[in-house]
Amino acid sequence: DAGVIQSPRHEVTEMGQEVTLRCKPISGHNSLFWYRQTMMRGLELLIYFNNNVPIDDSGMPEDRFSAKMPNASFSTLKIQPSEPRDSAVYFCASTRTRTNTEAFFGQGTRLTVV
Amino acid sequence: DQQVKQNSPSLSVQEGRISILNCDYTNSMFDYFLWYKKYPAEGPTFLISISSIKDKNEDGRFTVFLNKSAKHLSLHIVPSQPGDSAVYFCAASAQGGSEKLVFGKGTKLTVNP
Repeated sequence: DAGVIQSPRHEVTEMGQEVTLRCKPISGHNSLFWYRQTMMRGLELLIYFNNNVPIDDSGMPEDRFSAKMPNASFSTLKIQPSEPRDSAVYFCASTRTRTNTEAFFGQGTRLTVV
Repeated sequence: DQQVKQNSPSLSVQEGRISILNCDYTNSMFDYFLWYKKYPAEGPTFLISISSIKDKNEDGRFTVFLNKSAKHLSLHIVPSQPGDSAVYFCAASAQGGSEKLVFGKGTKLTVNP
């Protein structure tokens, strides 16, 4: 299996622009998680889906952030409009079960908003 | 308020010696704990876990110890190898892992040859 695939690996955008991050979970995994890593806050869970349904989005910073999972093999995290403080590494992870245990992470998308 | 704390941002040890990474938590509802390892430009990878019904779990060179009364866990790597150099994240969850993972900020381990 190719593992969790995220794209793009790097994204540089100007403040105010829309940014879309993409994730393909491991086939057969039922849960998908979006995390953000920053120096100040470490790894934070933004939102997670189970069977394509959002279960907990309490970690989404504000309305500028939205996430979708239209099918079992694809998810997007959108930031609109982007701000410099959104600069971080965004990780997607998936698990076979609803639990977080032993989640498999993608390589991340490094987002820089200038 | 940080519920999972890794107070040492970095640790340096000699190859062959023991590495001990520490983690403290404040939420008494946490009952499942995990360690992840992260190399640069890669995502975290699962290393080892422990349930609160145990106080020790061992997997090869890696052992995790849990002290529930102190709300403290530690990861021991024996013997340490240069390939172990990475950032190690401690994570915790409630409800046996069904609640969301809360991560510490990580400890960067450097194993010197």
